[in-house]
Amino acid sequence: DAKTTQPNSMESNEEEPVHLPCNHSTISGTDYIHWYRQLPSQGPEYVIHGLTSNVNNRMASLAIAEDRKSSTLILHRATLRDAAVYYCILRDVGLDYKLSFGAGTTVTVRA
Amino acid sequence: DTGVSQDPRHKITKRGQNVTFRCDPISEHNRLYWYRQTLGQGPEFLTYFQNEAQLEKSRLLSDRFSAERPKGSFSTLEIQRTEQGDSAMYLCASSTDRGFTDTQYFGPGTRLTVL
Repeated sequence: DAKTTQPNSMESNEEEPVHLPCNHSTISGTDYIHWYRQLPSQGPEYVIHGLTSNVNNRMASLAIAEDRKSSTLILHRATLRDAAVYYCILRDVGLDYKLSFGAGTTVTVRA
Repeated sequence: DTGVSQDPRHKITKRGQNVTFRCDPISEHNRLYWYRQTLGQGPEFLTYFQNEAQLEKSRLLSDRFSAERPKGSFSTLEIQRTEQGDSAMYLCASSTDRGFTDTQYFGPGTRLTVL
């Protein structure tokens, strides 16, 4: 499995943007980049995914570097509810049914 | 509520006992996954079903673990002769068959404590 590297933790103020980096220098051409998050005492939930182009949805934006060796999850206006562990996951379109979680980034949002 | 449900939410057992967990996926989701999560770590994949067929098992799934999905609906995960190292959160997820970009929907998990 291709690996991802994320910072252990990040802090943000409420209503400010949060930029969560993810390095995946060994990404292959068939790897999709997925982001999930896990709120305290809950199961993970899907946030966003992409292959090459930047993606936007109601929860977040995903910016993918041109060489695809890194990506950034952007929460445009953090709320207290966004405090969670965020996981960046590579998933091979030809091989992977499962999600291979790392340790993720713990995001703390200050009121 | 039409999300993934798991039962029980908490289970405390003594070492050596057998335990069984149940997962009810979202209706008509043909894919079902089991993961295990220990404190401070991300979830680890255990096994995967497509309908009633168990298509992949992790090496983490020792011979004390068995999972079933009769008739492709709910699933059970049984742990025999529990050990203290089995203490963890057991998560179930389901998805529809949309290639490899399908979104997995997770349940709230079953927290197992082995004394």
